[in-house]
Amino acid sequence: AQSVTQPDIHITVSEGASLELRCNYSYGATPYLFWYVQSPGQGLQLLLKYFSGDTLVQGIKGFEAEFKRSQSSFNLRKPSVHWSDAAEYFCAVGAPGSARQLTFGSGTQLTVLP
Amino acid sequence: DTGVSQDPRHKITKRGQNVTFRCDPISEHNRLYWYRQTLGQGPEFLTYFQNEAQLEKSRLLSDRFSAERPKGSFSTLEIQRTEQGDSAMYLCASSPGDRGRYEQYFGPGTRLTVT
Repeated sequence: AQSVTQPDIHITVSEGASLELRCNYSYGATPYLFWYVQSPGQGLQLLLKYFSGDTLVQGIKGFEAEFKRSQSSFNLRKPSVHWSDAAEYFCAVGAPGSARQLTFGSGTQLTVLP
Repeated sequence: DTGVSQDPRHKITKRGQNVTFRCDPISEHNRLYWYRQTLGQGPEFLTYFQNEAQLEKSRLLSDRFSAERPKGSFSTLEIQRTEQGDSAMYLCASSPGDRGRYEQYFGPGTRLTVT
């Protein structure tokens, strides 16, 4: 069965610092990969996705993620964090070719210090 | 594009009552999904529709839960005889589902509290 691990429950960074959120997955083949962000009381907003091709993916709000097949990882990065980035971040995987049923990690809560 | 909408945003009900939630997907999105999210966890898949056909159901979807998508447009999720364990955020998502467009777009969710 597929699974997603986000090892960091909570991360605190200072505004302007760089950010990396970790995501590891377990899946039989190379899945489709997604990062979502959720602000308090809100639904999930798609930041970026990886289906195939270039392993470095650019997303919205200045985020990027790198797919590493050998490590079964899809880490999210941002070079300079803004206070508005404080939120919860979820990594998700879906079946290649359809992504009908997403499996989510348990999330990483990001706090940004002024 | 108005996004996925859900109604109501909040629902408080007493144990044993029935509740129904509505989801309106992004227009022309063929696929519609329901997820449940409890505090401190990521969303868990419940069920999926391709147009009006319900094609997948999670084992989390007990026989007290039923979902419909008549005419392949909006969807409803009904929970009968609610239990305190049903308290959660219920999220709806939609996706085009064709030509490689598989990403899911989520609504704001309906927060259910069972007292």
